[in-house]
Amino acid sequence: AQSVAQPEDQVNVAEGNPLTVKCTYSVSGNPYLFWYVQYPNRGLQFLLKYITGDNLVKGSYGFEAEFNKSQTSFHLKKPSALVSDSALYFCAVRPSGGAAGNKLTFGGGTRVLVKP
Amino acid sequence: DTEVTQTPKHLVMGMTNKKSLKCEQHMGHRAMYWYKQKAKKPPELMFVYSYEKLSINESVPSRFSPECPNSSLLNLHLHALQPEDSALYLCASSQDKTSTYYEQYFGPGTRLTVT
Repeated sequence: AQSVAQPEDQVNVAEGNPLTVKCTYSVSGNPYLFWYVQYPNRGLQFLLKYITGDNLVKGSYGFEAEFNKSQTSFHLKKPSALVSDSALYFCAVRPSGGAAGNKLTFGGGTRVLVKP
Repeated sequence: DTEVTQTPKHLVMGMTNKKSLKCEQHMGHRAMYWYKQKAKKPPELMFVYSYEKLSINESVPSRFSPECPNSSLLNLHLHALQPEDSALYLCASSQDKTSTYYEQYFGPGTRLTVT
């Protein structure tokens, strides 16, 4: 069975500082990895995904994530955080095939608080 | 247009009521999903429709009844709900169920309160 772990319930960072949100995963076969962000009282918004190829993936709003197969990690990063980045972030994984391939498994979420 | 719309935004219903949630997308996506999300928790998958046919039911109680009238619309019919069913109900769509690398696009959700 696939699983995702986001070890930090909350990350606090000062505006302008680098932001990192951690994610590790477990899946049979090759993973498809996703990051979503959820602002208060809103649905989830897609940020970026890793399918194959370059381990560094660039996404929306200046976010990027690095796929590390040996560490089974897919950490989300932003070089300079903004107050408007304060939100709930979810990492998610899907296996690349099989009967369970359609199900997107989410991590528990990490709340990011960017202080001015 | 990358928007998924959901109505209503908020719904309060009694345990004996019957109500429906609606979801619509015009991106030509052929897979549509219902999720339930409790506060500060990740979304939990309820149902998946692929090409207007139900392909996944995550052992959801029968008081939740999904319907996909056409490729753009997805409904969730609610009947005899319990207070613990109060949650944010999210609809999502993706280009194709079988190609799992497609991202899902989520609607804003319906905030359901069962009294």
